[in-house]
Amino acid sequence: AQSVTQLGSHVSVSEGALVLLRCNYSSSVPPYLFWYVQYPNQGLQLLLKYTSAATLVKGINGFEAEFKKSETSFHLTKPSAHMSDAAEYFCAVSYNQGAQKLVFGQGTRLTINP
Amino acid sequence: DSGVTQTPKHLITATGQRVTLRCSPRSGDLSVYWYQQSLDQGLQFLIHYYNGEERAKGNILERFSAQQFPDLHSELNLSSLELGDSALYFCASSARSNTEAFFGQGTRLTVV
Repeated sequence: AQSVTQLGSHVSVSEGALVLLRCNYSSSVPPYLFWYVQYPNQGLQLLLKYTSAATLVKGINGFEAEFKKSETSFHLTKPSAHMSDAAEYFCAVSYNQGAQKLVFGQGTRLTINP
Repeated sequence: DSGVTQTPKHLITATGQRVTLRCSPRSGDLSVYWYQQSLDQGLQFLIHYYNGEERAKGNILERFSAQQFPDLHSELNLSSLELGDSALYFCASSARSNTEAFFGQGTRLTVV
């Protein structure tokens, strides 16, 4: 069975500061890992995904994530937060690249302070 | 805009009623997925259709059913509604089962 744990339901950072959103996963098979972002009243948008090609994955809007098998982690980072980054972020795991049976974490709400 | 269209955007209905949520996938996408987002359960996979055939089921209640039509649009039918069914229902589509999926903006269902 697969599961995802996102540490911290709320994270608050200042504009220009480092953003770090934590995600740990559990999977009995080699996982595909995803980060999605949900802006208010919007659907989910894929930020980036890990598909076993490279452990450091770069996504849209300056975000990146590093797959660490030994730590079963896939933390999301951005060097400098922007006000427009305020949203809810979801980590997800699956056994393929599609959306079949994606298992999501509970989400982390990111607030950016001016 | 993901290209996935869900209607209606909002729906308010009473307990015991039945509703139908509609999803139009991106042009050419054969796979359609339904997800439920609720405060209690978070985001949960409900069901996956590929080119008209059911491919996988998740935590979908027996009161819920779905289908994908020949024109590839999909409908999620929710019956005997309960207060706990209030949630945001997302549809996603992808070209095939193992390619990137794109999510619609969701239908917010409120059961009163």
